[in-house]
Amino acid sequence: DIVMTQSPDSLAVSLGERATINCKSSQSIFYSSNNMNYLAWYQQKAGQPPKLLIQWASVRESGVPDRFSGSGSGTDFTLTISSLQAEDVALYYCQQYYSSPSFGPGTQVDIE
Amino acid sequence: EAHLVESGGGLVQPGGSLRLSCGASGFTFSNSVVSWVRQAPGKGLEWVSSITTSSYTYYTESVQGRFTMSRDNSKSTLYLQMNSLRADDTAVYFCVKNVGDYPNCFDSWGQGTLVTVSS
Repeated sequence: DIVMTQSPDSLAVSLGERATINCKSSQSIFYSSNNMNYLAWYQQKAGQPPKLLIQWASVRESGVPDRFSGSGSGTDFTLTISSLQAEDVALYYCQQYYSSPSFGPGTQVDIE
Repeated sequence: EAHLVESGGGLVQPGGSLRLSCGASGFTFSNSVVSWVRQAPGKGLEWVSSITTSSYTYYTESVQGRFTMSRDNSKSTLYLQMNSLRADDTAVYFCVKNVGDYPNCFDSWGQGTLVTVSS
């Protein structure tokens, strides 16, 4: 099974500043035959179900603000919020779908 | 827009059984892979099971042999039969729609139904 880890566990960022969340997989989730990384990012606000933000490591879902961006390849990935807004306070999870799906433990993002 | 509504959660004793249902609308259910994902209180997300369009099922190891997932395309409904329930099955169970085939990520989520296993 592929184990996902995230860092940090939590972070507090000032409004308008950059937030960076890291995600690491225990083995590569890059499939060379289609040149794709099988990684997604979700946002979960308090009391709500998760919302898919990004798939294929860097492809934003329709309607997701462009301040959210995903990068990385192989085993190391990053979610960046370029200019944190109040409505971005949430838990963020990464998930691999290269094999049986598994999620990272989550990163809490708060306003400093 | 896809809409998923779970039902059937509740309090059950250890060793007991429960059946969750999920009604789907807003997309072609019969052409979609659907799954269950759970979240223990205050904890992270855990994929539980998935069912393909041809009703092939996949399970996480901890529920294999205890949980059975099924679908009724005529009713656009998904089921999760949970037997031999344990305390560590306590969680909110989300019904989710896969982006594509299994395995995949999940682009639509229900609000969840709470299952509590306790004596």
